[in-house]
Amino acid sequence: DVKVTQSSRYLVKRTGEKVFLECVQDMDHENMFWYRQDPGLGLRLIYFSYDVKMKEKGDIPEGYSVSREKKERFSLILESASTNQTSMYLCASSLATGGTEAFFGQGTRLTVV
Amino acid sequence: SQQGEEDPQALSIQEGENATMNCSYKTSINNLQWYRQNSGRGLVHLILIRSNEREKHSGRLRVTLDTSKKSSSLLITASRAADTASYFCANNNNDMRFGAGTRLTVKP
Repeated sequence: DVKVTQSSRYLVKRTGEKVFLECVQDMDHENMFWYRQDPGLGLRLIYFSYDVKMKEKGDIPEGYSVSREKKERFSLILESASTNQTSMYLCASSLATGGTEAFFGQGTRLTVV
Repeated sequence: SQQGEEDPQALSIQEGENATMNCSYKTSINNLQWYRQNSGRGLVHLILIRSNEREKHSGRLRVTLDTSKKSSSLLITASRAADTASYFCANNNNDMRFGAGTRLTVKP
């Protein structure tokens, strides 16, 4: 059974902390994605990666960075957490460009206090 | 920018009725996908329609695609209370962007 695993289901961090959200997939997928989801705004793309060490900015990359050192792992980094980054974060992966379904993790609900 | 715009934002129907949700997108697509999200969880893939297809069926789901209008629709027939969820469309290009979704409530 295919699986995308996010490291935490719930996370509480303090303003100014550096926060790491980890995502691991076991399907040998090339593409990986990070989204944040806020009420009424749907899913907004933060960053995506189509290969190891490759990354592309999405629509809202400010305040975030990513790392993809290995194919199966895509990390989202909040350099200095702020309260406006309180949100649900969703990771996804897909096999290849333009033709396959994506698989999602269960989500990480991050609260910055 | 968001790629898909779902319409309506919210839909409430009785069990047994059909539910239709629409999606408009901005750029050209290779394919379009529909996903479902139960409250507070990750998204689950429902169906993919390719740009050279006009209609596709999967169980109680029917998806249409009109590339000239840059729009798609998802029809759920004979709805059940368990269909209560949010539904999203997404372009299936490399960057996979979603809209704000349609919140469907099916009353028993």
